[in-house]
Amino acid sequence: GQQVMQIPQYQHVQEGEDFTTYCNSSTTLSNIQWYKQRPGGHPVFLIQLVKSGEVKKQKRLTFQFGEAKKNSSLHITATQTTDVGTYFCAGPRISRGTYKYIFGTGTRLKVLA
Amino acid sequence: EPEVTQTPSHQVTQMGQEVILRCVPISNHLYFYWYRQILGQKVEFLVSFYNNEISEKSEIFDDQFSVERPDGSNFTLKIRSTKLEDSAMYFCASRRQVGSNQPQHFGDGTRLSIL
Repeated sequence: GQQVMQIPQYQHVQEGEDFTTYCNSSTTLSNIQWYKQRPGGHPVFLIQLVKSGEVKKQKRLTFQFGEAKKNSSLHITATQTTDVGTYFCAGPRISRGTYKYIFGTGTRLKVLA
Repeated sequence: EPEVTQTPSHQVTQMGQEVILRCVPISNHLYFYWYRQILGQKVEFLVSFYNNEISEKSEIFDDQFSVERPDGSNFTLKIRSTKLEDSAMYFCASRRQVGSNQPQHFGDGTRLSIL
């Protein structure tokens, strides 16, 4: 079945350093979504990428969708302690006319002050 | 901003007992989901629900699980005879309309602890 893997599993950075998480799907995706889950919280939607090679920015966060639409990345510039959490990518799979999302394995980010 | 609400926030149950987890999706949303997250692990899809029926379910969603939308606002997940391995965080999510380019909105989750 469709699998979505992320690397690294964990990342500890000093505040101010950059951070990148990579997402790889076993199948081509029509789009990809990114979610952030704070410790003890629920996943919160960050962004969706649709086009091959698309790049979107949200302040210090840069999201990229690969040319083959099978991989994606999230890059955070100059991390802050508020960036702590687990970042998940999620790819859709259509079934009986509706979509379900397969979540990646997640990257847990810890930012050291 | 409208939210997905889940109750209870924490449920402690003896193994073998039935539990019902409740969710109130955002009112104009049409697609509903249950996910499970074992502590420290990824978010796992359980079931999707649209037009008063299950659209898809995962291998985890066996005969012990059922979902219902009894009154047009609540969306419930029932586990008939709980097992220790059912201990997890259960998230409900809803999405507005057809098409994959709509974000899912998650509730705060119910932490289920099976003793």
